[in-house]
Amino acid sequence: DGGITQSPKYLFRKEGQNVTLSCEQNLNHDAMYWYRQDPGQGLRLIYYSQIVNDFQKGDIAEGYSVSREKKESFPLTVTSAQKNPTAFYLCATTDGTGRNQPQHFGDGTRLSIL
Amino acid sequence: KQEVTQIPAALSVPEGENLVLNCSFTDSAIYNLQWFRQDPGKGLTSLLLIQSSQREQTSGRLNASLDKSSGRSTLYIAASQPGDSATYLCAVKGVSSGDKLTFGTGTRLAVRP
Repeated sequence: DGGITQSPKYLFRKEGQNVTLSCEQNLNHDAMYWYRQDPGQGLRLIYYSQIVNDFQKGDIAEGYSVSREKKESFPLTVTSAQKNPTAFYLCATTDGTGRNQPQHFGDGTRLSIL
Repeated sequence: KQEVTQIPAALSVPEGENLVLNCSFTDSAIYNLQWFRQDPGKGLTSLLLIQSSQREQTSGRLNASLDKSSGRSTLYIAASQPGDSATYLCAVKGVSSGDKLTFGTGTRLAVRP
């Protein structure tokens, strides 16, 4: 989706290191989401934010942190407390007007452990 | 807790064949169901969204149906092409889950030339 930019495309983390994944959108969407995708599993929600300066934990928030200081940006930090961070991370957005708006996705960041 | 299942996990068909992908969900109290396509190493592309009050949605060669009472949706692809090869995922937005989607694990489709 051209309106959502995730960077970097590939990221490597050393033991004990925190890393931050970037998600920027120019769709003027209110809601933003972070998902984790592992082989053979569906997408699992890490954190989501429906408005600036507010965010909620998803199903697997432990070992992750987020911030939402600007409408356009929703960075995800994978902390050293996340013991199994190797996965494909996807950022998504939704227009906040109504329940029946589709989710739009970025192209993902693949995180691996060195 | 909502659970979404997609069967089969993988499917291989010859070019030109019409095919149906299946999605089932356990809690029929939903706002909508969305079908996505995912190419290898890429994000998800939204194909169709069916609201709970609708029975089907169409876009080009794609037709998605929804039977909320039985907890089932199908994605029909007409005259399949090699370019349709991808993983197809369905996701439901449940009434009890707010703005969150629950995803199935996907069906990996290969269309042989």
